[in-house]
Amino acid sequence: DGGITQSPKYLFRKEGQNVTLSCEQNLNHDAMYWYRQDPGQGLRLIYYSQIVNDFQKGDIAEGYSVSREKKESFPLTVTSAQKNPTAFYLCASSIAPNQPQHFGDGTRLSIL
Amino acid sequence: GQQVMQIPQYQHVQEGEDFTTYCNSSTTLSNIQWYKQRPGGHPVFLIQLVKSGEVKKQKRLTFQFGEAKKNSSLHITATQTTDVGTYFCQWSAGNNRKLIWGLGTSLAVNP
Repeated sequence: DGGITQSPKYLFRKEGQNVTLSCEQNLNHDAMYWYRQDPGQGLRLIYYSQIVNDFQKGDIAEGYSVSREKKESFPLTVTSAQKNPTAFYLCASSIAPNQPQHFGDGTRLSIL
Repeated sequence: GQQVMQIPQYQHVQEGEDFTTYCNSSTTLSNIQWYKQRPGGHPVFLIQLVKSGEVKKQKRLTFQFGEAKKNSSLHITATQTTDVGTYFCQWSAGNNRKLIWGLGTSLAVNP
């Protein structure tokens, strides 16, 4: 089955630590996205990539970094510069940049 | 600048009642998508509307795109407890066609 896989499902971060969230898709989609969702809130765009080896900042990129070395993979690193990282992180992909998005199950990140 | 509002923010209904959520824009939209997110889950794509005046149906769900492509609605007939969740609109507008999300309408259904 085609889909998007995010791992881990739950992640705990210590103060001052960088953590990396994995996102893999086998849908052959060009575009991939990372969103942050806080409780009871909408989705805020962190980074997006329209093609391999290229990515752009979204609305809340500070404290985060990404890479897009392969079409299938778009990992997100939450750095120690992100002072309030506790949230639900969602990865999505779409066949083209303005087309409907398909989501992974998400990663819940908490601070220890 | 462009402003799009999704209303209402919350809706509480009795099972069997109808439900409608709206996305209203101050400018013309290129297209609009609707998603459903169950509690604790991830958004799931429901439908895309592209044409002026378009109406699409999925069982008890009816989606409309306004004639001026400035508003859209999602109507659920005879709600069921399985309809519980947050419904988001997502639209594309302008030259860069960047996708933007509404803040969502949370639907609660009393059995």
